Amino acid sequence: KNEVEQSPQNLTAQEGEFITINCSYSVGISALHWLQQHPGGGIVSLFMLSSGKKKHGRLIATINIQEKHSSLHITASHPRDSAVYICAVGTGNQFYFGTGTSLTVIP
Amino acid sequence: ETGVTQSPTHLIKTRGQQVTLRCSSQSGHNTVSWYQQALGQGPQFIFQYYREEENGRGNFPPRFSGLQFPNYSSELNVNALELDDSALYLCASSSQGVNQPQHFGDGTRLSIL
Repeated sequence: KNEVEQSPQNLTAQEGEFITINCSYSVGISALHWLQQHPGGGIVSLFMLSSGKKKHGRLIATINIQEKHSSLHITASHPRDSAVYICAVGTGNQFYFGTGTSLTVIP
Repeated sequence: ETGVTQSPTHLIKTRGQQVTLRCSSQSGHNTVSWYQQALGQGPQFIFQYYREEENGRGNFPPRFSGLQFPNYSSELNVNALELDDSALYLCASSSQGVNQPQHFGDGTRLSIL
């Protein structure tokens, strides 16, 4: 059983579409992180949040602590958004990761 | 400010050998974490170091060990390499632990033959 579950596993969208990636977790957390990983391995931290909602450009992340659920939204998706998006939770001095959502945005 | 750098970028070893991977933290960061990412999988947390002390460990055997130096750079050592150790090894630094944004290096791709 994974402490962090993501859905969907794979996602293909047309350019301009609104995209939602979901993350559920089963442990008590200090913070939840959304990460972006491009081919070749480099990981970029998109958001870190412990409550509410954060927005950065076309990206929005929300978290519901009571339901142990977070969503990452991408508005007006673009081919350069194609990447793997990973949800990770920090608890105590541990990190747990989801297996990632592979997003492909088609022009 | 300089980002997180890892070396080497690629490495090939054989079973039973030992390997040392290196990570230079982002300036001002005193916490470094190491992760293993097998092909097609999400990263797995190996351990975290804070001010030169191990400060959290995932489900990895003792042959995975680490060091953090006074300048907050870090090493990951793996003894008695096994085929399943083939993976991308990532390090990330932060200003303090899991409650701060993690800044990742580009990783070291380790292949075990």
